[in-house]
Amino acid sequence: DADVTQTPRNRITKTGKRIMLECSQTKGHDRMYWYRQDPGLGLRLIYYSFDVKDINKGEISDGYSVSRQAQAKFSLSLESAIPNQTALYFCASSDRYNEQFFGPGTRLTVL
Amino acid sequence: GIQVEQSPPDLILQEGANSTLRCNFSDSVNNLQWFHQNPWGQLINLFYIPSGTKQNGRLSATTVATERYSLLYISSSQTTDSGVYFCAVSFFNKFYFGSGTKLNVKP
Repeated sequence: DADVTQTPRNRITKTGKRIMLECSQTKGHDRMYWYRQDPGLGLRLIYYSFDVKDINKGEISDGYSVSRQAQAKFSLSLESAIPNQTALYFCASSDRYNEQFFGPGTRLTVL
Repeated sequence: GIQVEQSPPDLILQEGANSTLRCNFSDSVNNLQWFHQNPWGQLINLFYIPSGTKQNGRLSATTVATERYSLLYISSSQTTDSGVYFCAVSFFNKFYFGSGTKLNVKP
């Protein structure tokens, strides 16, 4: 079984809809992250969390929110999706040495 | 934030050839990782290498932290090596990715 899982793997939604992407990890890591990747570019950090009570904004947090429901679960929400949020979204986890492990990605299309 | 530059941006190789990918970063970093993104979009960990040299089969990596660069060597390339190679650095617990090197290995 994969150590970091994401659901859904693909999602098509309409402008203005609320959408939640979910991430779970079985690696026992305290640290979890959400990134987005746009075509031809590297990953950009949206939010990160070092434990259940710790949430931090990344480089591009506007338009997104997160919830850390448990050590193993970290969800990303788009309160009102817009077309320029169409992207590939990755969740990752890491230990305190910051070696990151990524989930398989969620391909989100906002029409 | 830290600037991460990867070169070359694109690389075409014949199967069996060797290559060197470079990652330069603009400030001191706490650690560095290399990833391979396969054609299906999956990110695969290659190396966690804050400094020094590591080898894994046909791949090896060297990071010279004092000079702010890392190199990824691919020897005897195979078509399955195709995809995008990213380096990512962490600085004060934030991560910064380069734009990647897109590798196409032709049979």
